[in-house]
Amino acid sequence: QSALTQPASVSGSPGQSITISCTGTSSDVGGYNYVSWYQQHPGKAPKLMIYEVSNRPSGVSNRFSGSKSGNTASLTISGLQAEDEADYYCSSYTSSSTRGVFGGGTKLTVL
Amino acid sequence: QVQLVESGGGVVQPGGSLRLSCAASGFTFSSYGMHWVRQAPGKGLEWVAFIRYDGSNKYYADSVKGRFTISRDNSKNTLYLQMNSLRAEDTAVYYCAKEKSIRFLGEFDYWGQGTLVTVSS
Repeated sequence: QSALTQPASVSGSPGQSITISCTGTSSDVGGYNYVSWYQQHPGKAPKLMIYEVSNRPSGVSNRFSGSKSGNTASLTISGLQAEDEADYYCSSYTSSSTRGVFGGGTKLTVL
Repeated sequence: QVQLVESGGGVVQPGGSLRLSCAASGFTFSSYGMHWVRQAPGKGLEWVAFIRYDGSNKYYADSVKGRFTISRDNSKNTLYLQMNSLRAEDTAVYYCAKEKSIRFLGEFDYWGQGTLVTVSS
């Protein structure tokens, strides 16, 4: 069981927007602004899409955005495209002894 | 450009040992913390270990504490993971990943391509 909770799957049609949630506690997501999101295509390494809750690395499309409210962070993808179909993972800094923590991952299907 | 290239994976028997390496280039290796993250077949990401930029602090997941040792050689721009007492549940693709900051924030801005470790008799 992962420390951060994500929905197992979400889906949307091309052009639509979807949101993936990532729920933790006050010891991780709720307590720090160090939430990051990763995209992983099958057989490939993960890629950083969002860091520090809402910042995009250079080269990442502005269709990807992040936010946080309380103990839940969210990744929103607008204007869905076929190439967005992938697994998405959240991660957060945590004050617990576990140190590193990921969500269980969400499979995004573009219909 | 930043490159991280893992090596050392393979098939090992339960109870055996293996050492993974990660060769880094394209950034000042000695200025950043580094992580190992693994992914069992068909499963999600699991953080394994972290080492500070100067090697002075190391952190481990409970699942590997006492069995795995992370280290680095800044003169060779190389990260290592010594894995002992391997179990079937350690079977996974192991990624090295660069920490975005100088300290542990759990934000991984670059990843290697991964190396597969299979623990099986």
